Amino acid sequence: EAGVAQSPRYKIIEKRQSVAFWCNPISGHATLYWYQQILGQGPKLLIQFQNNGVVDDSQLPKDRFSAERLKGVDSTLKIQPAKLEDSAVYLCASSHRDRASYEQYFGPGTRLTVT
Amino acid sequence: AQSVTQLGSHVSVSEGALVLLRCNYSSSVPPYLFWYVQYPNQGLQLLLKYTSAATLVKGINGFEAEFKKSETSFHLTKPSAHMSDAAEYFCAVTIRNQAGTALIFGKGTTLSVSS
Repeated sequence: EAGVAQSPRYKIIEKRQSVAFWCNPISGHATLYWYQQILGQGPKLLIQFQNNGVVDDSQLPKDRFSAERLKGVDSTLKIQPAKLEDSAVYLCASSHRDRASYEQYFGPGTRLTVT
Repeated sequence: AQSVTQLGSHVSVSEGALVLLRCNYSSSVPPYLFWYVQYPNQGLQLLLKYTSAATLVKGINGFEAEFKKSETSFHLTKPSAHMSDAAEYFCAVTIRNQAGTALIFGKGTTLSVSS
């Protein structure tokens, strides 16, 4: 089966600009996650969707970050305006069910550089 | 709150030597534990997971880990390192709660393998 797809793979923007990332999960996976991975650290959850509803966005900086999953399939993550500290790899993951024992499948990530 | 500590940000071994990557967790309820591997410019791939069945868990590529509740540990081992094992390794914990099932990652351990 096809894996989690993300685009673009790399993006360079200047601070205060906006950027959007796209994720297409594995077919049939109801749960979708966006993680932020800063260099030298482990991934940190930004937002979790169950179908098209938000389950957890407690760590999403809502003043500049937004995410949607309108039809319960693919998802977009937006940053507006970007700050230097947003430079990171943004990972999308999906899971068949919203259960702790279920494996999360990760996409290749989008590497964002803010200058 | 749940947390994960990976001891040693960098581990170096010779090809054929034992690999030991350490992970300690903190959780007020029985956890589910995971080890993921990340190769350069790629997403995370699941190596193995503990979901309250057998305490000794075998994964892909010859890796295994043992859940020790008394020590709150989930160390990753491989009897004989191969050059292809060089990568970043992440230990993660998750529980099922009202907020969802997101993974909480450690900071990662970089494994280097020399010939």
